Order: sequence, then C-alpha cells, then structure tokens
Amino acid sequence: GAVVSQHPSRVICKSGTSVKIECRSLDFQATTMFWYRQFPKQSLMLMATSNEGSKATYEQGVEKDKFLINHASLTLSTLTVTSAHPEDSSFYICSADNSYEQYFGPGTRLTVT
Amino acid sequence: DAKTTQPPSMDCAEGRAANLPCNHSTISGNEYVYWYRQIHSQGPQYIIHGLKNNETNEMASLIITEDRKSSTLILPHATLRDTAVYYCIVRVYNFNKFYFGSGTKLNVKP
Repeated sequence: GAVVSQHPSRVICKSGTSVKIECRSLDFQATTMFWYRQFPKQSLMLMATSNEGSKATYEQGVEKDKFLINHASLTLSTLTVTSAHPEDSSFYICSADNSYEQYFGPGTRLTVT
Repeated sequence: DAKTTQPPSMDCAEGRAANLPCNHSTISGNEYVYWYRQIHSQGPQYIIHGLKNNETNEMASLIITEDRKSSTLILPHATLRDTAVYYCIVRVYNFNKFYFGSGTKLNVKP
C-alpha cells in the first residue's frame, strides 16, 4: 500500500511554544489530507481536512487559530500547534486520501511540559 | 459522527478464527463498510472494505448481511500480531472523511 510519513515521530516542547508536524505522502499525490488526534485509550478524533491550495476545514470544536494547517503541495501537509499547553499533549495522526483508501501515517507523539 | 457500534473487546485463541462484528443499522445505500486496525501507538492500517458483496483479501474476509445493517470481519487464523484495536467505519465512497467509533480491542492469546 501507499506510504505516508510523519515527522517528527516524537516531540517534547515547553508550554507556550509552537510545534510543527509534517505529513508526507511518499508515492502518490494527495489533494486531501486529514489530521486526527488521539488521547490515551480513546479513538481517533478527526480534527480537520487539509486541502491542497486552499484553506483547511475544521471539525466542530477544533480551534483553527490553535491548530494551523498548511497544505502547500500535493505531497505535504503541516500541522502547527500554536502556544501549546499540557492539555495539547496527544498522539497526532495524519492520513492521505487517493480517492480509494485513506493511508495513515505512523503518528507523532506530542508531549507539552 | 461515527455510525457504527462494536463490542469493546474480544478474546481469540491463537490459530483460531477471529470474528469481529459491527452494527451499522443506519447505513445508506451509497456507503461502504471499511475496516482498519491500529496496533498500539501506530497509525491505523487498512484491512478491507466492501459495499454489499462479501470480500476477501490476503488479510481477512468481510461478510456483509443482505440488509447491510451489520457486518463481520473474519481473520481466519489469528496470530499474536493480530492483537490490535479494530475499527469498522462507514463512509460514502470517494467522499474522504472517516469518523472513527470506539472500535473492538482484539486480544489474541497463546
């Protein structure tokens, strides 16, 4: 199957700083990517849809100014967690869609101290 | 919003078939049933999907009832590496968004 990578796989940051997470589709062009968040022992929660060349669309309850999404090319989407706080500590997962399936990245573990 | 219900957990003996049920009683005619699994601290992995016919691939079989209100994922010979959370998701084909439900934690035991 197709490969989606994420970088970094783990990141620890201090409260108040911003963190950028990259999501890349390695072997196909993805006009649409998705960002999910997963807290321990919970399911994945869809945060936003990242559209190449246009603004991301956010799910209800997700703060767009806190979770900045940029989809500058057909193979790269970035999620920036701005002014991170301990409650933003979570597992962030991206996926890329090729119209047939969604392929998920390995996830990024964010810990805010 | 998730439109599926699954049992929270199931046990299966290694080497035996694992049958994971999913209820999707409000499924629409143009919605497909997808199955993914997530091994601890990894991204979800695609298993199989179908519309109304039963499907089989190298990983599993998918049995969808005639009224399409429920389905069963079958892992024919479960191994310890199949221990994971299994998610059943319905979505309109080519419509992109996946909403995950709570999934079933499958414990394969030696």
